[in-house]
Amino acid sequence: NAGVTQTPKFRILKIGQSMTLQCTQDMNHNYMYWYRQDPGMGLKLIYYSVGAGITDKGEVPNGYNVSRSTTEDFPLRLELAAPSQTSVYFCASRRTGGYSNQPQHFGDGTRLSIL
Amino acid sequence: AQTVTQSQPEMSVQEAETVTLSCTYDTSESDYYLFWYKQPPSRQMILVIRQEAYKQQNATENRFSVNFQKAAKSFSLKISDSQLGDAAMYFCAYRSVSGTYKYIFGTGTRLKVLA
Repeated sequence: NAGVTQTPKFRILKIGQSMTLQCTQDMNHNYMYWYRQDPGMGLKLIYYSVGAGITDKGEVPNGYNVSRSTTEDFPLRLELAAPSQTSVYFCASRRTGGYSNQPQHFGDGTRLSIL
Repeated sequence: AQTVTQSQPEMSVQEAETVTLSCTYDTSESDYYLFWYKQPPSRQMILVIRQEAYKQQNATENRFSVNFQKAAKSFSLKISDSQLGDAAMYFCAYRSVSGTYKYIFGTGTRLKVLA
């Protein structure tokens, strides 16, 4: 059981480049989340999804886009990379449907540097 | 809006001793969930313990227990018989029962365990 898988683990981008951070989970969780964690800080929610075809903005959505075409996958796209987007990105998922107290399951994170 | 505050950026504990990490939160809601997550150097976020606000009994998981004071909006984590493997960043998190599906994270406390 792989849980939540994020790829890549590390990436360096140049300013203005675009890329997609991949996230997939094999637990049939409806809820999925993208966070960023800046040095010495807690997690800030970028986007979340409550099911396939449904996404919504979190605290810090600017500069990012998401899609949720399947239950398993929740990719995060950076269209025009900026130095302020240098961070560690975490994807998480959570079980629902009568299990509202269930915690999130996290991926291992993607360390992204914009130079 | 809800907020989560961890006022201790760093704590140290001697191996085999007990340490308490503090967390306070602010909310106008009466029902919610609280979590403690551990983030070791590997960066993976691991659930330590969770508490439902409607439960008066404090949650316990082996060496980990919480002191949940709902009126004071306090949710501290006690680690007994500290082990070297407990060294990590610890994040307190809040989540509403209904409405939004967002988690609010504190800024974390770095725990050092001294041999």
